Amino acid sequence: ETGVTQTPRHLVMGMTNKKSLKCEQHLGHNAMYWYKQSAKKPLELMFVYNFKEQTENNSVPSRFSPECPNSSHLFLHLHTLQPEDSALYLCASSQDTGRTGELFFGEGSRLTVL
Amino acid sequence: AQTVTQSQPEMSVQEAETVTLSCTYDTSESNYYLFWYKQPPSRQMILVIRQEAYKQQNATENRFSVNFQKAAKSFSLKISDSQLGDTAMYFCAFRKDNNAGNMLTFGGGTRLMVKP
Repeated sequence: ETGVTQTPRHLVMGMTNKKSLKCEQHLGHNAMYWYKQSAKKPLELMFVYNFKEQTENNSVPSRFSPECPNSSHLFLHLHTLQPEDSALYLCASSQDTGRTGELFFGEGSRLTVL
Repeated sequence: AQTVTQSQPEMSVQEAETVTLSCTYDTSESNYYLFWYKQPPSRQMILVIRQEAYKQQNATENRFSVNFQKAAKSFSLKISDSQLGDTAMYFCAFRKDNNAGNMLTFGGGTRLMVKP
């Protein structure tokens, strides 16, 4: 596989469930990101990891818990979510200090919270 | 904080015609980067074109070009000879010129429909 792969592509969960989103990049990048894409709203940066270290947490509620075991993998653990958390969650990667600004995105995980 | 505004939620254009998507931004930074990303339906978002603020020359990539007006903080995207495959959401994005990673601030997007 090439590029950035996200699984699952679709997820439906209840408010009391615990689930995880997975992202894997095959580009040799050192930085990985989680973005939230809600309808009619700009993409919201959630978390940034650079060389496995979290460098940005954009005031995300604690019901979202990221994990980056290595530079190629990024997880987003979900628990006790709210219906307003329903959205498309996008993972991206980039070179850590690259100034080109090019993010490489996955296709996203569509989350529905009932 | 930076903000990026795309004032056109939806646009349509006939195949082979030209269309311009608008973007304005607000920043106190003197140097930065601007981008247009394309998100086709149910597909990955990809970079279309980028512009460094210190460069006066407008960036061009094949049928895609930008009109960068730094004083007006405007960064529009022109698509020439529109093709059906150009149908997508288009996002304008801003990045500071620093080493804090590629953290982009995105606009709300413009949905472009290319009609045959």
